[in-house]
Amino acid sequence: DQQVKQNSPSLSVQEGRISILNCDYTNSMFDYFLWYKKYPAEGPTFLISISSIKDKNEDGRFTVFLNKSAKHLSLHIVPSQPGDSAVYFCAACNRIQGAQKLVFGQGTRLTINP
Amino acid sequence: EAGVAQSPRYKIIEKRQSVAFWCNPISGHATLYWYQQILGQGPKLLIQFQNNGVVDDSQLPKDRFSAERLKGVDSTLKIQPAKLEDSAVYLCASRRLAGGPYTQYFGPGTRLTVL
Repeated sequence: DQQVKQNSPSLSVQEGRISILNCDYTNSMFDYFLWYKKYPAEGPTFLISISSIKDKNEDGRFTVFLNKSAKHLSLHIVPSQPGDSAVYFCAACNRIQGAQKLVFGQGTRLTINP
Repeated sequence: EAGVAQSPRYKIIEKRQSVAFWCNPISGHATLYWYQQILGQGPKLLIQFQNNGVVDDSQLPKDRFSAERLKGVDSTLKIQPAKLEDSAVYLCASRRLAGGPYTQYFGPGTRLTVL
């Protein structure tokens, strides 16, 4: 039961252009969403998050958009830089009996071409 | 501030052997998580501790996996006996009990290969 899906395993973008990574979820009980970035041989690092009561959150070059009716969120990176090449994971937070649980998507490998 | 520490970084064992992983969370973080990340998939939660108590272990294969956090600080995850399908990266993460909503900080992981 894949509650969080990232349907694009990979994405290639030209340096300076916009990168858009997508994520879909099925569980309407998720109340917080996060994006993590992962380089090879390192653990995921937190990038940006959004509460379910908002539809947009911006932090520098990174913006996350949430469409609750479509159960869809996206991460926009503009302008894209070579250092942005990494695997990006979307995660959704569910609280069950007081336990905070993150459910991750499969990840999207972003490659920024010079 | 030091990050989440994990050891070893890599481990190769044969099936049916035992293995243990160690994690030291960020100082002051009360909540600790163990995740399993199989190649091509996202991390999957195995167990969550709050201080030294288990909050959620619903996805831990308890017939072969065990974890403990005896003093509410560092933690060990054990697999006994290992199966081929246990080959994965085992990630440890920690989080403050309050503040920084839902943000978990991950260690570098231990890559386990079961032959």
